[in-house]
Amino acid sequence: NAGVTQTPKFRILKIGQSMTLQCTQDMNHNYMYWYRQDPGMGLKLIYYSVGAGITDKGEVPNGYNVSRSTTEDFPLRLELAAPSQTSVYFCASSYKGTLKQFFGPGTRLTVL
Amino acid sequence: DQQVKQNSPSLSVQEGRISILNCDYTNSMFDYFLWYKKYPAEGPTFLISISSIKDKNEDGRFTVFLNKSAKHLSLHIVPSQPGDSAVYFCAASGEDYGGSQGNLIFGKGTKLSVKP
Repeated sequence: NAGVTQTPKFRILKIGQSMTLQCTQDMNHNYMYWYRQDPGMGLKLIYYSVGAGITDKGEVPNGYNVSRSTTEDFPLRLELAAPSQTSVYFCASSYKGTLKQFFGPGTRLTVL
Repeated sequence: DQQVKQNSPSLSVQEGRISILNCDYTNSMFDYFLWYKKYPAEGPTFLISISSIKDKNEDGRFTVFLNKSAKHLSLHIVPSQPGDSAVYFCAASGEDYGGSQGNLIFGKGTKLSVKP
């Protein structure tokens, strides 16, 4: 099992550009999450999904969109990149009914 | 307003000694707590957890203690090893914060350095 995989590992965007951060898990987990981690800060929840076709906002959803068309994939979309979105983004997944989340290696995004 | 606080940004310990990492929380409705460990350029990995119905949980060298009246938990690592050097995050869950959807609230982390 690869677990949770994220692509790309690094990306530099210009202000106003768009991109999609990819996340895939092969553990057949129902629940998936997107977090951002700013320097010296904890992880903040952006969006989460409890199953295919179901998504909901977390603590810091502004400027992002998600979709969940399959159990395995949970892409995060940035439509108009802003410097405030410079961060490290982590995708995670878990079994339904458990709180133990499995994390991907992260995507380091810089917006200039 | 931080609901999960890790007030020590860093901790340095000698190899073989005990490491104690602390975490405070403000919401009395939190009912499950977890510790994650994170190495540079990697995602966090689950370490140990505790339910609010317990006051202690052990797993090998790692023990988590929960003091509900003080809203405080701590992670003890005995003996500490250089490979334990990492950032440790405390996380909490509660029904009023999406606990049934598996949502977690994280502290800012404590960077542990274990010196040989």
